[in-house]
Amino acid sequence: DAGVIQSPRHEVTEMGQEVTLRCKPISGHDYLFWYRQTMMRGLELLIYFNNNVPIDDSGMPEDRFSAKMPNASFSTLKIQPSEPRDSAVYFCASSFGGVLYEQYFGPGTRLTVT
Amino acid sequence: SQQGEEDPQALSIQEGENATMNCSYKTSINNLQWYRQNSGRGLVHLILIRSNEREKHSGRLRVTLDTSKKSSSLLITASRAADTASYFCATYYGGSQGNLIFGKGTKLSVKP
Repeated sequence: DAGVIQSPRHEVTEMGQEVTLRCKPISGHDYLFWYRQTMMRGLELLIYFNNNVPIDDSGMPEDRFSAKMPNASFSTLKIQPSEPRDSAVYFCASSFGGVLYEQYFGPGTRLTVT
Repeated sequence: SQQGEEDPQALSIQEGENATMNCSYKTSINNLQWYRQNSGRGLVHLILIRSNEREKHSGRLRVTLDTSKKSSSLLITASRAADTASYFCATYYGGSQGNLIFGKGTKLSVKP
């Protein structure tokens, strides 16, 4: 398996623009997680899905953030409008069985909002 | 915060030495996991230890869990320059299947 795939790897955008991050989880995994990593706050869980259904989005910072999982092999995290404080590395991870087992992380998307 | 805390924040050792990193947490856990992150990369799972386990091994890695002290340690024996990375502990307290809480990590530097 190719592992968790994320695109793009780097994104530079201007404040106010819409940003869409993409993730393809490992085939057969039933959980998908979106994390954000910054120096100040470390790794934060934004939202996770179980069998394509959003279960907990309490980590989503505000209404500008939204996430979807239309099928088992694809998820998006959208920021609209983007702000400089959204600059971070965004990781997607997937697992089989949730946090009872290991999570497999993608390489991340480094987002810079100017 | 329920976040686990790693100690030390940074550790610098010579190749061949052992490296020990500690993680403390606040409330009872279901399991604790250790991850490694190389610079510019995603996290890689190392070991998962459940609350009813005390010690686990994987190659040069040894993880212990002391639930009475609410702490865990990760020992890397005979370290190599390739072990240079940040190491995170993550705790699962039960309940929602997504609530894995990551600490801020220990930055390990292994000098050749």
